[in-house]
Amino acid sequence: NAGVTQTPKFQVLKTGQSMTLQCAQDMNHNSMYWYRQDPGMGLRLIYYSASEGTTDKGEVPNGYNVSRLNKREFSLRLESAAPSQTSVYFCASRSQGWRVTDTQYFGPGTRLTVL
Amino acid sequence: TQLLEQSPQFLSIQEGENLTVYCNSSSVFSSLQWYRQEPGEGPVLLVTVVTGGEVKKLKRLTFQFGDARKDSSLHITAAQPGDTGLYLCAGAGAADSWGKLQFGAGTQVVVTP
Repeated sequence: NAGVTQTPKFQVLKTGQSMTLQCAQDMNHNSMYWYRQDPGMGLRLIYYSASEGTTDKGEVPNGYNVSRLNKREFSLRLESAAPSQTSVYFCASRSQGWRVTDTQYFGPGTRLTVL
Repeated sequence: TQLLEQSPQFLSIQEGENLTVYCNSSSVFSSLQWYRQEPGEGPVLLVTVVTGGEVKKLKRLTFQFGDARKDSSLHITAAQPGDTGLYLCAGAGAADSWGKLQFGAGTQVVVTP
């Protein structure tokens, strides 16, 4: 049982390049999330998927797109990377998004640098 | 956007001392969670508090949710080097039902032997 896995762990891009961050969970969770973490700003929600087949914007969605490929996988795409997107990206999953006592499990993160 | 403010931003103490971290907001939350994050890893949930005035204990850690569900505190008794990490509070809004969390900026705690 690996929990939440993310690939890649590190990535360096040039401005304008595109890439997809992959996330998978093996806990049969319904809800999945993408956050970014920047120094002094905590984690900010980019997009989330309450259940398979649905996605919604979070606090900072501009410049990103997501795909809930199936119940296990939730990918984040940067179409044209900008230096402002340099950050650490975390994927998370939760059994039922509506149940406040459910634990949200985080992956190990992807450290992205955009030059 | 509901803002969660954590204080202090950084705390350095000696092993055996006590410490308290605060998490404050002007908004009401349906629940509040505390996480600990270590370098190079994702946050790990420590506790969820739901009821105003609720107090939960996890070994040497005591968590309290304010009566009005707008603030919370984390108290560590007799801190140990293993308590070192970034402590994050996160709230779920009263009108939110899909697990979207609003995080504070975090408190970096360093416990030296």
